Amino acid sequence: DQQVKQNSPSLSVQEGRISILNCDYTNSMFDYFLWYKKYPAEGPTFLISISSIKDKNEDGRFTVFLNKSAKHLSLHIVPSQPGDSAVYFCAASLGGGSQGNLIFGKGTKLSVKP
Amino acid sequence: EAGVAQSPRYKIIEKRQSVAFWCNPISGHATLYWYQQILGQGPKLLIQFQNNGVVDDSQLPKDRFSAERLKGVDSTLKIQPAKLEDSAVYLCASTVVLSSYNEQFFGPGTRLTVL
Repeated sequence: DQQVKQNSPSLSVQEGRISILNCDYTNSMFDYFLWYKKYPAEGPTFLISISSIKDKNEDGRFTVFLNKSAKHLSLHIVPSQPGDSAVYFCAASLGGGSQGNLIFGKGTKLSVKP
Repeated sequence: EAGVAQSPRYKIIEKRQSVAFWCNPISGHATLYWYQQILGQGPKLLIQFQNNGVVDDSQLPKDRFSAERLKGVDSTLKIQPAKLEDSAVYLCASTVVLSSYNEQFFGPGTRLTVL
């Protein structure tokens, strides 16, 4: 039973437009959420995170929104660039912040077209 | 700073054979993780070490998988004997323990194919 779900396997966006990647979770005890980006043949790299006590965290072009009542988070990339093309994983932690057991979704492949 | 190093990058074996993967974390990182990523899935934690002690190995199939981190630095993950369903990318990650919110840094992974 998947506790972290990314229901869109892929997303295609035009350069300069907004990319919105979605993630749903089932366990209301998750207290920390992270997004990782992965290029082919490389390990995932940390992008941005959010604690369950917040509803928004922003870092440059990347913003993560958390809706606890809906058990939903989203990653917004504005503006999208071709270099953003990668697989994006949503992950959640059950205590321990980013150091605990991270539960990952299946990922969404983002393609940003020039 | 140098990243997390893993070797080999690729390994092909036949079922019932044994295989071992090696990981060298970022210098000074006390916590080390091994993840299994099956094609089309997200990474799944197999085992977490704090220095040379095991913090969480609840998802490690202990009948065939073993891992050690003897001196609290490098780590090896072994599969003996391998099954077809073990085909996956094995990722090592590490993190420094300054707070609960330091990110996990991942290595490039070892892609294992079991024939």
